[in-house]
Amino acid sequence: RKEVEQDPGPFNVPEGATVAFNCTYSNSASQSFFWYRQDCRKEPKLLMSVYSSGNEDGRFTAQLNRASQYISLLIRDSKLSDSATYLCVFLIKAAGNKLTFGGGTRVLVKP
Amino acid sequence: NAGVTQTPKFRILKIGQSMTLQCTQDMNHNYMYWYRQDPGMGLKLIYYSVGAGITDKGEVPNGYNVSRSTTEDFPLRLELAAPSQTSVYFCAAQGEDSQPQHFGDGTRLSIL
Repeated sequence: RKEVEQDPGPFNVPEGATVAFNCTYSNSASQSFFWYRQDCRKEPKLLMSVYSSGNEDGRFTAQLNRASQYISLLIRDSKLSDSATYLCVFLIKAAGNKLTFGGGTRVLVKP
Repeated sequence: NAGVTQTPKFRILKIGQSMTLQCTQDMNHNYMYWYRQDPGMGLKLIYYSVGAGITDKGEVPNGYNVSRSTTEDFPLRLELAAPSQTSVYFCAAQGEDSQPQHFGDGTRLSIL
């Protein structure tokens, strides 16, 4: 099983719709979780951390399910500017704080 | 408010040439990282450092070297450039444990 798996997409989303996608991880020692956003030919940028109780930042909601070893991201009221690749990232403190990146889920929001 | 600065932004090398990709950060972060990202793929860790004077290999270290003489700087060296090293290289810095990493703008390197 891969360390982290994401559906590469693309998810074609009408403007204003809701889209959600998951990311599964195999290492149960993973301690911190993040969603990063990467625009074409740009550097990854932190979108939000993912907390055990779930957290929301505006139109974005992140969830963590430790039992099933996945995190999720939900985007409400999608904007054209949400078109990007969303990378799930997790950190294992015992492994020198190295981050493990998923391959990304591509989201295309269309008018 | 610079954060992580990488230079150069673009470079074309001939096979067998050498070069150093520069990375500097002004956040006084202990942890620094070098990644490469091939087209349509995820990031792969090349080398990382947990503090000045300490470096360690990541997932794909072959063909690269690093040094960390100061907290601010973490240069990546390619000694004998090969076409397989054509990629986008990202440097990142991280502060406290379990905090997210902050990335530089990247260096786009082509080896012909």
